[in-house]
Amino acid sequence: KQEVTQIPAALSVPEGENLVLNCSFTDSAIYNLQWFRQDPGKGLTSLLLIQSSQREQTSGRLNASLDKSSGRSTLYIAASQPGDSATYLCARGRSQGNLIFGKGTKLSVKP
Amino acid sequence: EAGVAQSPRYKIIEKRQSVAFWCNPISGHATLYWYQQILGQGPKLLIQFQNNGVVDDSQLPKDRFSAERLKGVDSTLKIQPAKLEDSAVYLCASSSDWGGELFFGEGSRLTVL
Repeated sequence: KQEVTQIPAALSVPEGENLVLNCSFTDSAIYNLQWFRQDPGKGLTSLLLIQSSQREQTSGRLNASLDKSSGRSTLYIAASQPGDSATYLCARGRSQGNLIFGKGTKLSVKP
Repeated sequence: EAGVAQSPRYKIIEKRQSVAFWCNPISGHATLYWYQQILGQGPKLLIQFQNNGVVDDSQLPKDRFSAERLKGVDSTLKIQPAKLEDSAVYLCASSSDWGGELFFGEGSRLTVL
């Protein structure tokens, strides 16, 4: 079964802290790995896409890594801000082009 | 560049009634996806189109759900008859190429009473 697991389910941190969100997947034959942000009542916003041949991608304060051999990806958020509060979803790409999602990590950044 | 458009944003129906959702992908995107997101869960793929052909509908409950993309652009997802467990957000996404980055619409929230 192709599963994607995200730990923790929820995380609360003070503003300014650096943090890491974890994602693990069971099938190492991964096509790509995509991280999304979801605000309450909204759709998903793509943050970073890592192709299977890549090890990491960076965008501003965000850095995502991919380790296919261990079946893990991490999303690193530097200097967190209250505006970063949202649910973060990782998704494993299949060869057909569609994604299998984890349940997400709900992040709360306290001022 | 306009994003993925979906309508309606909200819909409340009684069980056994029917409902239809519409999606217009980003211009030029050949691949279109419908996902179902139940509260507290990650999105689950219902159906994937490449142009107007179906690539993957293995998780679509075909006894009650149907979807079409007749001209390779807009798509409609229909549920008939609806069940209580169909209450969810229905998300449409598109990508420009096979295995590329997915862009999502705001979703259509369905409540079945």
